[in-house]
Amino acid sequence: GENVEQHPSTLSVQEGDSAVIKCTYSDSASNYFPWYKQELGKRPQLIIDIRSNVGEKKDQRIAVTLNKTAKHFSLHITETQPEDSAVYFCAASVDSWGKLQFGAGTQVVVTP
Amino acid sequence: NAGVTQTPKFQVLKTGQSMTLQCAQDMNHNSMYWYRQDPGMGLRLIYYSASEGTTDKGEVPNGYNVSRLNKREFSLRLESAAPSQTSVYFCASSELQGEETQYFGPGTRLLVL
Repeated sequence: GENVEQHPSTLSVQEGDSAVIKCTYSDSASNYFPWYKQELGKRPQLIIDIRSNVGEKKDQRIAVTLNKTAKHFSLHITETQPEDSAVYFCAASVDSWGKLQFGAGTQVVVTP
Repeated sequence: NAGVTQTPKFQVLKTGQSMTLQCAQDMNHNSMYWYRQDPGMGLRLIYYSASEGTTDKGEVPNGYNVSRLNKREFSLRLESAAPSQTSVYFCASSELQGEETQYFGPGTRLLVL
């Protein structure tokens, strides 16, 4: 089955710096790669996603890149702000029925 | 539009007790999911329902049962709770089966003593 590994598990950055989170997956058939943000005590919320026919996608300060050959994808947050502090989860589709395999999460702390 | 709602928010059970976690969505979504979240392990799929009338096992289904009562509601039942089922449970829904955004409920925190 699909296995998703996420690194690092914790990431501390200074406000204004960039943050990068990396994920690898094992199943070459995976086609959909969403990223979720979870603030403390809240529900996970989708922040960006990418499909296998695209190499990069941007939404303001957030971008995701996908390398299907190497089976890895990354989340990039530029000009980090305190409100970016949260746990971020990557995921990869397991099948066409909507099942996702999540990574273990990255705790991002943005210090002023 | 309430989105995805879950009840209860918090529950304490004794080992061997049973309970049902309720989930409802008002977005007319076809697919619904139950996840558990444990520290350092991300979100793990327990059961899902691709459409009304269908359910299937996810990664960690042992000890749980589900019912897709109608298009709106998807319940998760613990028949005989165990301490290993202490976790935060999230319900989610998506418009279609497949590669679609999943919208999560606020979660149920369950403690089994």
